[in-house]
Amino acid sequence: QVQLVESGGGVVQPGRSLRLSCAASGFTFSSYGMHWVRQAPGKGLEWVAVMPPDGSNKYYGDSVKGRFTISRDNSKNTLYLQMNSLRAEDTAVYYCAKSPWHLSSFDYWGQGTLVTVSS
Amino acid sequence: QTVVTQEPSFSVSPGGTVTLTCGLSSGSVSSSNYPSWYQQTPGQAPRTLIYSTNTRSSGVPDRFSGFIFGNKAALTITGAQADDESDYYCVIYMDSGISVFGGGTKLTVL
Repeated sequence: QVQLVESGGGVVQPGRSLRLSCAASGFTFSSYGMHWVRQAPGKGLEWVAVMPPDGSNKYYGDSVKGRFTISRDNSKNTLYLQMNSLRAEDTAVYYCAKSPWHLSSFDYWGQGTLVTVSS
Repeated sequence: QTVVTQEPSFSVSPGGTVTLTCGLSSGSVSSSNYPSWYQQTPGQAPRTLIYSTNTRSSGVPDRFSGFIFGNKAALTITGAQADDESDYYCVIYMDSGISVFGGGTKLTVL
């Protein structure tokens, strides 16, 4: 069965960097687009970034553009999110999610990893 | 900036039917926006209900159905059950390649 396991969250000071990972199993990772979605405490879901299966044409939400970078290693079945210049408002649970046949949506989700940006 | 609109809250009686909607602050939602719907209970990861307007995700009962209603996407839940009480989010896919979440609808079953 499809499994997505995020890791790398923790407490980080404003302005610092953090890299999240999402280990995938149970499907052919290299054939599907992958997303990051986040949820600040007590708030709604926010789409962060998407990466197609071949690694081309990445897209980002306005709030993270220029600071976050999505990447993937298909040989390791792993998705990454490099987060630089972190701000307090980046504090959230970060979920990775798999796309179905089209990049527009998500069919499977991980359990999330919490990132807290605080001095 | 694209804003996706949802009803902040809705209530339904057990066994009843409810339709939640998902619109755009400017313009209409169509199937080319591939609207999708997600259910989330507090402390849990989201669960996918519907993608590409009306495709039910694996294991989702046919009590949940998605469609385009006028200029909005819609999610209908029939035979509402107590454990349908959740937050429901829609996502709209834009031509630019980005996806946008709505603010969510808190559904109460009472």
